[in-house]
Formats: sequence, structure tokens, C-alpha cells
Amino acid sequence: DSGVTQTPKHLITATGQRVTLRCSPRSGDLSVYWYQQSLDQGLQFLIQYYNGEERAKGNILERFSAQQFPDLHSELNLSSLELGDSALYFCASSGTGGIGYTFGSGTRLTVV
Amino acid sequence: SQQGEEDPQALSIQEGENATMNCSYKTSINNLQWYRQNSGRGLVHLILIRSNEREKHSGRLRVTLDTSKKSSSLLITASRAADTASYFCATDPMEYGNKLVFGAGTILRVKS
Repeated sequence: DSGVTQTPKHLITATGQRVTLRCSPRSGDLSVYWYQQSLDQGLQFLIQYYNGEERAKGNILERFSAQQFPDLHSELNLSSLELGDSALYFCASSGTGGIGYTFGSGTRLTVV
Repeated sequence: SQQGEEDPQALSIQEGENATMNCSYKTSINNLQWYRQNSGRGLVHLILIRSNEREKHSGRLRVTLDTSKKSSSLLITASRAADTASYFCATDPMEYGNKLVFGAGTILRVKS
């Protein structure tokens, strides 16, 4: 157990639908990062939150959005899903000191 | 686009041999990190080397960093079957702040 909890582990949904992925960071970590991993694109940074505020944005589609709540858990919302959104979605957290990220075990999203 | 590129893409060795993976990147960095990922699971942080460091050790891992060549190498000594995994280098580019950019990874297979 890395200390970063992601739910659900697996999600199968139809095109056009909307899903919410949830992440609880490691205790004490204020930063949360979302990454998408697919075979053709590799690990792509989506978005970062720090203590409730958006800090950095990467290759995140307009159909995707995220937020970090006062208790520091984060949610990634994916809407109008397309087949190409099928991927592993990882959440990671970090504290201060630049000692690396702690990753969750991911949510495998399959869009059919 | 990905900052780091690993070489080789895949590596197959016998147990007990050493494994060397290389990473090249494009821009100035604060630090470079290596992560391991077992098939379909979350990434695990292995080691971090800062831009002002040239070499770092952790157990059977040795990492070097050459900022003039924008390259790094990860050496795993006396490999074990349990080392079979994908290995990613990740850079913390100065221009992006505290946000890791991952390479495409090296798939390592250690045969027993």
C-alpha cells in the first residue's frame, strides 16, 4: 500500500458517458497530480492541484476536469467519453522537499 | 510531448547480470527521477538525483547524471527475476515547476 488510494480500480462505461475518478493522497501531502497512461501516448501529465488550488495544467482535454477538496482528496471528471479515452489513470501525491511522487495503483477505464 | 527518452526500449538479461538503462532529456532540469512499474500497476519511486549531483547509489541501484549531455543512466547490479518491470525516467523541468515529465520507459525482463 503506497498510501495513495484510488477508486474505483476498474471502470467500464459506454461512449458519451461521464465518470468520476477519486484519489486520496498520502497523509500530509498537499500536492495531487493526475496522469493518463496509454499504450500510444505513454504517461501524460494532466493536471496538478496544491492545497485545493489548481497549480499546473498539462495535456488535459476540455472534456476533462478536476478538483481538490478541503480534505485534500481529488476527483477527476471525464465526460463525453470516447473510445480513445480508454487508459490507466493514475493519481500521485507529493509533499515538500522534492523527494519524488507516490503513485496510487490507478483506475483502468475502458470505454466501449 | 515527452521530455525524456529511454534507451533501450526493451532489455532481456539473465539473473545475476547487470542491467543498464539510459535516459536523455531536452531542457534544463531541477532533478531527474527513476520509477519502476510492474505490469499494469502503479509506479514506484526508486531514486532522485538533483541537477548538481553526478552519481547516486541506493542498494543495487546506481544512477548517474550528465547535465552537459542531458542524459542519465540507471544501473541495476546483480539483477533478480523480481526486477522484471518497466523503468521510467522522469524529469522535473525548471520551466514547469514541480511537475514530472516521463519518458516512454524501458521494459526489463530478467530471466531465471
